[in-house]
Amino acid sequence: NAGVTQTPKFQVLKTGQSMTLQCAQDMNHEYMSWYRQDPGMGLRLIHYSVGAGITDQGEVPNGYNVSRSTTEDFPLRLLSAAPSQTSVYFCASSPEGGGSPLHFGNGTRLTVT
Amino acid sequence: GEDVEQSLFLSVREGDSSVINCTYTDSSSTYLYWYKQEPGAGLQLLTYIFSNMDMKQDQRLTVLLNKKDKHLSLRIADTQTGDSAIYFCAERDYGQNFVFGPGTRLSVLP
Repeated sequence: NAGVTQTPKFQVLKTGQSMTLQCAQDMNHEYMSWYRQDPGMGLRLIHYSVGAGITDQGEVPNGYNVSRSTTEDFPLRLLSAAPSQTSVYFCASSPEGGGSPLHFGNGTRLTVT
Repeated sequence: GEDVEQSLFLSVREGDSSVINCTYTDSSSTYLYWYKQEPGAGLQLLTYIFSNMDMKQDQRLTVLLNKKDKHLSLRIADTQTGDSAIYFCAERDYGQNFVFGPGTRLSVLP
């Protein structure tokens, strides 16, 4: 029972490099989202998707792109990494509607130098 | 916009009860959640409560909701060292998105 799987667990980038954080879930959840976690600031929503082919911006979308070509996968792309994007990134999914809670991956710790 | 607030730190002695408090601003919140995060891990759901409930109990956990004051609390009875973690309060509105508080770091002292 894999749940939400994020790769890689750790990544170091130089300023200006690009990369993709991978997220996959095997629970057939319609809703998927990306958060970043910074000390004392909780989790801030970057982008989210309510189904394949549908994405929307969250609170802090600048510098990030997403796509949702399948129900299972929701990759997050950093176009040109900046030190301000040093953070821990979490992918989460949920069945659509009702009180269904979010299921989280274990996170990707990204450092941009 | 929506906002969720929590105190950042709480220390308790092993065996005592812990009470972690949370306030939120969105009156349309339908569900409120408590998550636990251990070091280096993702967030794990502890419990959640629908906004038409006042209280929910699950073993050592008791959630109290005061909808009039928009105040949510999580009580952990007989706190153990394994309860040391960061606890996040979160709300979900009709728009499906979740809003998280900054997290309360609970330290359990022997």
